[in-house]
Amino acid sequence: NAGVTQTPKFRVLKTGQSMTLLCAQDMNHEYMYWYRQDPGMGLRLIHYSVGEGTTAKGEVPDGYNVSRLKKQNFLLGLESAAPSQTSVYFCASGRTGVSTDTQYFGPGTRLTVL
Amino acid sequence: AQTVTQSQPEMSVQEAETVTLSCTYDTSESDYYLFWYKQPPSRQMILVIRQEAYKQQNATENRFSVNFQKAAKSFSLKISDSQLGDAAMYFCAYRSPLGAGNMLTFGGGTRLMVKP
Repeated sequence: NAGVTQTPKFRVLKTGQSMTLLCAQDMNHEYMYWYRQDPGMGLRLIHYSVGEGTTAKGEVPDGYNVSRLKKQNFLLGLESAAPSQTSVYFCASGRTGVSTDTQYFGPGTRLTVL
Repeated sequence: AQTVTQSQPEMSVQEAETVTLSCTYDTSESDYYLFWYKQPPSRQMILVIRQEAYKQQNATENRFSVNFQKAAKSFSLKISDSQLGDAAMYFCAYRSPLGAGNMLTFGGGTRLMVKP
């Protein structure tokens, strides 16, 4: 059981380039999330999805787009990368909308934008 | 909006000793959920313990326990018999039962160092 996986683990981009981060979960979870983690700060929610075909904005959505075409995958796109998007990105998934439900996190992707 | 504050950027503990990590939060809700996550150098976020606000009894999970003070809006984590493997970043998180998508709000984290 792989849980939540993220691809790639590391990436370096130049300003203005685009890229897509892939998150996959094999637990049949409905909810999926993208967070970013910056030094000295907790994780901040970028976008989330409550089911296949749905997405919603989180706390810091600007500069990112997401898609949830398949239940098991949640993609995070950067259309035109900026140095301010240098961060570690975490994907998470949750079984249902029950508030006590645990979020399962992936190992993270370290992105550097030069 | 809810906020979560961890006032200790770094903490240090001797192996086998006990350490307490602090967390305070601000909310106007009466029902909510609190979590402690551990993030080792591998970066993966691991759930340590969770607490439902409507429960007066403090949650415990083996060597980990919490001191939940609802009136004071305080949620500290106690680690007993500290082990080298406990060294990590620890994040306190809040979840509202009314929040869209059950979003977590995280504190800034506390780096715990364990000395042999």
